[in-house]
Amino acid sequence: DTGVSQDPRHKITKRGQNVTFRCDPISEHNRLYWYRQTLGQGPEFLTYFQNEAQLEKSRLLSDRFSAERPKGSFSTLEIQRTEQGDSAMYLCASSLDAEGNIQYFGAGTRLSVL
Amino acid sequence: KNEVEQSPQNLTAQEGEFITINCSYSVGISALHWLQQHPGGGIVSLFMLSSGKKKHGRLIATINIQEKHSSLHITASHPRDSAVYICAVMGQDDKLIFGTGTRLQVFP
Repeated sequence: DTGVSQDPRHKITKRGQNVTFRCDPISEHNRLYWYRQTLGQGPEFLTYFQNEAQLEKSRLLSDRFSAERPKGSFSTLEIQRTEQGDSAMYLCASSLDAEGNIQYFGAGTRLSVL
Repeated sequence: KNEVEQSPQNLTAQEGEFITINCSYSVGISALHWLQQHPGGGIVSLFMLSSGKKKHGRLIATINIQEKHSSLHITASHPRDSAVYICAVMGQDDKLIFGTGTRLQVFP
């Protein structure tokens, strides 16, 4: 257990539905990252936060995706109008600048869009 | 061409064998990570390197910044080492770029 928790672990949804995932980072970590991993591939960067500020978004993050970190603690990733291509493992990681930005990963949320 | 390349993609070994996984990258980096991912998906950070060599138990990681190459070695491999090993580099913009991973299976 790295101390980063993600909820839910698995989500099955029908195409067109909205889904929301939650990530609780290690409490003192100021940076929070979201990644997406499809089968057989390494994770790909989606977005990251420094405290509550969203500093960067990948072009992979279409308009249907939105991420928030309202109080600089937990974060949510919402996907609207899900598509089958959104099926993937969504990983969250957190880090602390002072530790040289070592990222600690959660166990991930596996999304299956039917 | 991917910015981070790993080899081999798949690796099988007998228990006790010495294992090497290689990682080459083409971008400027501030650090390189070796990660272990188990079938359930959870990722554990094994090493973060910016130069030289690190050792933790049976695991050794080396990096050659000039050659843009890193290796992960496992000595006296064990079936519980079976996992996907991922190399990831931290670019100058503090984002991780991941390799596609090396799937290792160690048989008793």
